[in-house]
Amino acid sequence: DTEVTQTPKHLVMGMTNKKSLKCEQHMGHRAMYWYKQKAKKPPELMFVYSYEKLSINESVPSRFSPECPNSSLLNLHLHALQPEDSALYLCASSRQITSTDTQYFGPGTRLTVL
Amino acid sequence: GNSVTQMEGPVTLSEEAFLTINCTYTATGYPSLFWYVQYPGEGLQLLLKATKADDKGSNKGFEATYRKETTSFHLEKGSVQVSDSAVYFCALSVGAGGTSYGKLTFGQGTILTVHP
Repeated sequence: DTEVTQTPKHLVMGMTNKKSLKCEQHMGHRAMYWYKQKAKKPPELMFVYSYEKLSINESVPSRFSPECPNSSLLNLHLHALQPEDSALYLCASSRQITSTDTQYFGPGTRLTVL
Repeated sequence: GNSVTQMEGPVTLSEEAFLTINCTYTATGYPSLFWYVQYPGEGLQLLLKATKADDKGSNKGFEATYRKETTSFHLEKGSVQVSDSAVYFCALSVGAGGTSYGKLTFGQGTILTVHP
């Protein structure tokens, strides 16, 4: 089973709302990732967690707050977003953070900020 | 730094035509190379990968060979189907420490449309 699940599938929020995106995997992977993908562009890395610790933050604005409560779960908390934050948010996981390990992606959450 | 350059699209082919999507890279260190495919409205799926020079990755009739001398990883398929219509991303990952560790660097993506 190489499935990464993400909820919700779609999310519409106002600029003053607080919402969360959820990602789950049961493959025993110890690395988890958040990516942002704009239309017709490749995914851009936001955060990397390794063994539940934040390993990489790609200078993401503080209105995005990641959380890894356990090895299977990854959340992305959203607060005071801007319309330009509207995008597809992809979660991925891999066995570990190495160059040879495959990252498995979820289907994404399509976020619209009004 | 690390970068991936893919041939510009979109690419439009008839069913059963031969497909090549060019991919070249620059990397500090020894990268692993990947092809991912994204169908409309979905996340990315790994299509194939290669982790060392001269390795050939293959899956679902697609193939790509890791060419260190030309820093290339071109994707090929002998006979495309309508169901192959998607966006294809070439990507690399570099290990051995540093801030690149665990980070996938993607090309811009190539939109493939296959007509019956």
